Amino acid sequence: QVQLVESGGGVVQPGRSLRLSCAASGFTFSSYGIHWVRQAPGKGLEWVALISHDGSNKYYGDSVKGRFTISRDNAKNTLYLQMESLRDEDTAVYYCAISRSRPYWGQGTLVTVSA
Amino acid sequence: EIVLTQSPGTLSLSPGARATLSCRASQSVSSSYLAWYQHKPGQAPRLLIYGASSRATGIPDRFSGSGSGTDFTLTISRLEPEDFAVYYCQQYGSSLWTFGQGTKVEIK
Repeated sequence: QVQLVESGGGVVQPGRSLRLSCAASGFTFSSYGIHWVRQAPGKGLEWVALISHDGSNKYYGDSVKGRFTISRDNAKNTLYLQMESLRDEDTAVYYCAISRSRPYWGQGTLVTVSA
Repeated sequence: EIVLTQSPGTLSLSPGARATLSCRASQSVSSSYLAWYQHKPGQAPRLLIYGASSRATGIPDRFSGSGSGTDFTLTISRLEPEDFAVYYCQQYGSSLWTFGQGTKVEIK
């Protein structure tokens, strides 16, 4: 079955960087675009970024454009999110997700940006 | 970008009552790629409905989804205590996913 497991979250100071990973299994990883979605404490769900199946196309939400970079390694079945210049408002649980016949989500990893 | 607007913002109901949640899209949602999630604090969103009307695995049949085009509805036929939570709709038919702002179903 489809499994998505995020890792790399933690506490980081404002202005610093962090890289999240998402390990995928149970499907042909290289055939699917993959998304990052986040949820800040007490807030709704926010789409963050999408990378196409082969990594050739990348899309970002306005709030992270220019600071976050999505990438993937199809040989390792792994998705990444490089986050730079982190701000307090980036504090959230970050999920990776795909859409096959239906959406599939990981369990999320918590990123806390705090001095 | 497809904007999803959920109503009402909060629904105050008693256990056993029927809940009707609405999700309206700013443009037609491709192939009814519309999903509903239940969210409780400290947990990942739980997929309830996909394809506008298909129940996800393990979801009780008191949850049902309907609609097409720009108007979608999630109905909970008889609220159980564990159903009090926040519900989100999502469109996944376009590359840029979007979400509604959520409807909180609270105990009256």
